[in-house]
Amino acid sequence: GAVVSQHPSWVICKSGTSVKIECRSLDFQATTMFWYRQFPKQSLMLMATSNEGSKATYEQGVEKDKFLINHASLTLSTLTVTSAHPEDSSFYICSAPTAWLYNSPLHFGNGTRLTVT
Amino acid sequence: AQTVTQSQPEMSVQEAETVTLSCTYDTSESDYYLFWYKQPPSRQMILVIRQEAYKQQNATENRFSVNFQKAAKSFSLKISDSQLGDAAMYFCAYRRNTGNQFYFGTGTSLTVIP
Repeated sequence: GAVVSQHPSWVICKSGTSVKIECRSLDFQATTMFWYRQFPKQSLMLMATSNEGSKATYEQGVEKDKFLINHASLTLSTLTVTSAHPEDSSFYICSAPTAWLYNSPLHFGNGTRLTVT
Repeated sequence: AQTVTQSQPEMSVQEAETVTLSCTYDTSESDYYLFWYKQPPSRQMILVIRQEAYKQQNATENRFSVNFQKAAKSFSLKISDSQLGDAAMYFCAYRRNTGNQFYFGTGTSLTVIP
């Protein structure tokens, strides 16, 4: 089955620094990837849609200058949390559908737990 | 916009018993796809089952089955012979037939009692 690899699994950083999270589709090409944020015991909140070769589409209320998304290839999307603050601490998950199959489910990475101290 | 509602924040079931998790959605589209995902404590999202809206037959995957009522816009998940490993958060999701947008419900936390 389709595999999405997300790295790192967890990261601790100091306030004011930047953190990059990588999301790779290992055995399929992902023209679109989604980035979600999840608070404890809550649902997934879509942050942005990453499209290969073009600018990401951000959901309302998500700061595009703070959460930089790059989708430079068909297998890699990155999310950079810039100038991180404690309120950015959360669980971030990437996912991708198999390209152009509308009955394709989302394939998820195993998430990144970010702690900003 | 499509909305997905899971009205049961928490559910519990005795091991080996059957439990049904509810999901309703709001849409004006006639063709779409529905999914149930499981998120165990590891937080890895795992696909449980999927249903195409144009198919009348309810999907089944081993102990997991759905009751898809298109007119009522309802998509419930039935877990038979519940096992301890079924304990997790369960999310219902809707996918449009066009584009790549998915919509998730708020989740149901399932506890399996030994």
